[in-house]
Amino acid sequence: LAKTTQPVSMDSYEGQEVNITCSHNNIATNDYITWYQQFPSQGPRFIIQGYKTKVTNEVASLFIPADRKSSTLSLPRVSLSDTAVYYCLVGTPNTGNQFYFGTGTSLTVIP
Amino acid sequence: GAVVSQHPSRVICKSGTSVKIECRSLDFQATTMFWYRQFPKQSLMLMATSNEGSKATYEQGVEKDKFLINHASLTLSTLTVTSAHPEDSSFYICSARSGASFENYGYTFGSGTRLTVV
Repeated sequence: LAKTTQPVSMDSYEGQEVNITCSHNNIATNDYITWYQQFPSQGPRFIIQGYKTKVTNEVASLFIPADRKSSTLSLPRVSLSDTAVYYCLVGTPNTGNQFYFGTGTSLTVIP
Repeated sequence: GAVVSQHPSRVICKSGTSVKIECRSLDFQATTMFWYRQFPKQSLMLMATSNEGSKATYEQGVEKDKFLINHASLTLSTLTVTSAHPEDSSFYICSARSGASFENYGYTFGSGTRLTVV
């Protein structure tokens, strides 16, 4: 099971782009990389998922290098409401394998 | 994307009583569901894996007789905290494995249940 490492915390000013990098050196061939956002007293909310290269949706982009040993979540022009904990999870979705959470990154957006 | 509903969102119970938490997959069938516990300022800790029609698999250190899990159908898993004590107060979150047809292929999380034992 691929273990993930993320910075514990980050601060950013409103309107800036935020990049959060996750390291997953032992990622398996069939593993996907999924990012979740969690607000206090809420369940994790799906942000974006990818397997390789770049994925973009309406809220974020996910950059995955060729070796897939890391990934970067990019949040464009963050606002105060983006203050949350962000988790990077790695796993094979089509199996019953468990997802173990790492520490996550606590992002604080400053006015 | 896939949706998982968790109920109740908040519950307060007296010490020594039991509490049941429900986790439902609304628009997909989930043969596998997971239960997590989260203490303040900490990450989610996996408690157990629930498989439809079979016994749950518990993580090391989690008491299976205290945290009873039932996965009787493809859309419902329940977690019962038996003989609850104040130290069981926590935020409980379920997750269900969603299929490739969803944007969030893999695991969808419920909104969580805040349990307070007094």
